Amino acid sequence: GNSVTQMEGPVTLSEEAFLTINCTYTATGYPSLFWYVQYPGEGLQLLLKATKADDKGSNKGFEATYRKETTSFHLEKGSVQVSDSAVYFCALSDPAGNQFYFGTGTSLTVIP
Amino acid sequence: KAGVTQTPRYLIKTRGQQVTLSCSPISGHRSVSWYQQTPGQGLQFLFEYFSETQRNKGNFPGRFSGRQFSNSRSEMNVSTLELGDSALYLCASSFARYNTEAFFGQGTRLTVV
Repeated sequence: GNSVTQMEGPVTLSEEAFLTINCTYTATGYPSLFWYVQYPGEGLQLLLKATKADDKGSNKGFEATYRKETTSFHLEKGSVQVSDSAVYFCALSDPAGNQFYFGTGTSLTVIP
Repeated sequence: KAGVTQTPRYLIKTRGQQVTLSCSPISGHRSVSWYQQTPGQGLQFLFEYFSETQRNKGNFPGRFSGRQFSNSRSEMNVSTLELGDSALYLCASSFARYNTEAFFGQGTRLTVV
């Protein structure tokens, strides 16, 4: 079956620190992989995506590379800002049907 | 381009009542999916509609139902509400059905008392 395992939080970092949030997946077939971000009281916003192995998604300084050999899609950012404080969700899209499988979310707090 | 619009934003209902939530997808998007978000279970898939037909359904009881109209707007209904139905209900719209990103609305916060 399909599932996503995401690094447990919460994560607290100082401004300008390096961020890594680990994400691994199990899937039948060849899914697309996504990172979504959720700010308090809001819905999910697409942060980045990758649709095939070795693709790198990037947006707003965040990056993630689709690693088929390790079934991973880790999120990284070189220098976090206070405004990056949010909950981050790793997700896969089942190619056999239009359904997303989400990780449990990782809460990030960036302190000045 | 307007985003996904969900109404209402907040609802308080009593156990045993029923509720209807509405979702207007991004213009031109024909696929609408619904998710339930709770602190304990995280994000769980409810169902997906495309061209007015339910194409996929998650593992929820029959009290949860939905429909899609010809203009792609969707509604979901929960009957005989239980306390455990308290959650944030998120609607997502996509242009196509497969391997494409979904755009989420702000959600409807349902509280059952």
